[in-house]
Amino acid sequence: DGGITQSPKYLFRKEGQNVTLSCEQNLNHDAMYWYRQDPGQGLRLIYYSQIVNDFQKGDIAEGYSVSREKKESFPLTVTSAQKNPTAFYLCASSRLLGQGALSGANVLTFGAGSRLTVL
Amino acid sequence: QKEVEQNSGPLSVPEGAIASLNCTYSDRGSQSFFWYRQYSGKSPELIMSIYSNGDKEDGRFTAQLNKASQYVSLLIRDSQPSDSATYLCAVNGFSGGYNKLIFGAGTRLAVHP
Repeated sequence: DGGITQSPKYLFRKEGQNVTLSCEQNLNHDAMYWYRQDPGQGLRLIYYSQIVNDFQKGDIAEGYSVSREKKESFPLTVTSAQKNPTAFYLCASSRLLGQGALSGANVLTFGAGSRLTVL
Repeated sequence: QKEVEQNSGPLSVPEGAIASLNCTYSDRGSQSFFWYRQYSGKSPELIMSIYSNGDKEDGRFTAQLNKASQYVSLLIRDSQPSDSATYLCAVNGFSGGYNKLIFGAGTRLAVHP
């Protein structure tokens, strides 16, 4: 079955450590995204990528980095510069980025999420 | 003004009733509108998408869009306890220099037997 796989599901980080969250999709989607969700809040966009070797900052990119070396993979690194990293991280993908109103190409499919806790 | 606004709830309805969830948005140029359901500790799943004014029905769910009023709603008929979740409204918009999907904070729905 096609889908998005995120790992690990739970992750604990010590102060000052970098950690990397994995996101792999086999949906043949061009666009991939990383969102952060805090309790009682909506999803905030960290980074997104439309094609391989290209990515753009979202609303809260500070303290995070990404790469897009393969179409299927979009890992997120939470660096020590991110002062409040405890959150639920969601990876998503869509066929295209943009309005795509009639084709539904911009409908997001989400992975199961990764919960990061700073000790 | 928030770009996508939802009442945080909780919205409590009895089993079998109609649940009405509302969402307003600020970008008049938005063309795509989505409702996602999110159970506690899980990732969002798409319930409905709507792109033109009017109603769109899918089983017990009906999405309503009024672009003039910048308003989108979700009706759930014959509500079941399994519908208890947080419902996220998402709107395509151009913000911060790029096109993106903007999420509301969600409305928590509780369906009681």
